[in-house]
Amino acid sequence: DIQMTQSPSSLSASVRDRVTITCQASQDINKSLNWYQQKPGKAPKLLIYDASNLKTGVPSRFTGSGSGTDFTLTISSLQPEDVAAYYCQHYVSLPYTFGQGTKLEIK
Amino acid sequence: QVQLQESGPGLVKPSDTLSLTCAVSDYSISSGNWWGWIRQPPGKGLEWIGYIYYSGITFYNPSLKSRVTMSVDTSKRQFSLKLSSVTAVDTAVYYCAKFSGWYSYWGQGTLVTVSS
Repeated sequence: DIQMTQSPSSLSASVRDRVTITCQASQDINKSLNWYQQKPGKAPKLLIYDASNLKTGVPSRFTGSGSGTDFTLTISSLQPEDVAAYYCQHYVSLPYTFGQGTKLEIK
Repeated sequence: QVQLQESGPGLVKPSDTLSLTCAVSDYSISSGNWWGWIRQPPGKGLEWIGYIYYSGITFYNPSLKSRVTMSVDTSKRQFSLKLSSVTAVDTAVYYCAKFSGWYSYWGQGTLVTVSS
């Protein structure tokens, strides 16, 4: 199975800060990597698919980058509504595993 | 906009079978997509359970494969999950979702507690 490792596990930042979350795959997954946002008590929502494609309606302050084994989710200017857990997920080979998640809070 | 809604018992006894259904609306379940189940134990991360195609083809997480059965009923626009021989570790919020490489639409989730 391909393992997905996110860092950090938790993060506290100030409003308008630039925030970066990383996801590392245990083997090459090309660009088959997605990012989700899960607010407390809610279902996850797709933010980015295929490493860098923003889902329609997602604010442009969210960007994804990377390929191969190393990927990054960046929030260019943190907003209070971005408080959530963020998960990466690959889809190269079954099982399509998720990262363990990164919990983002406002300082 | 695809709408998904999970339904089923919120409490299941140990060793029993957990049964959930996901109703799909505003979208044809036969439109060539995969439909999946994901679960999330309280305070923990996301775990993929399995996928089913409208034709009935399935893929299950190897860690759960011996206990999982998924089915689809296109006439009722729904798909289902059965997880047998449940224990406390199966307590989780269970989500259904539309899958096409990524989970583009999710149900709101339903908490299933395994307890006597």
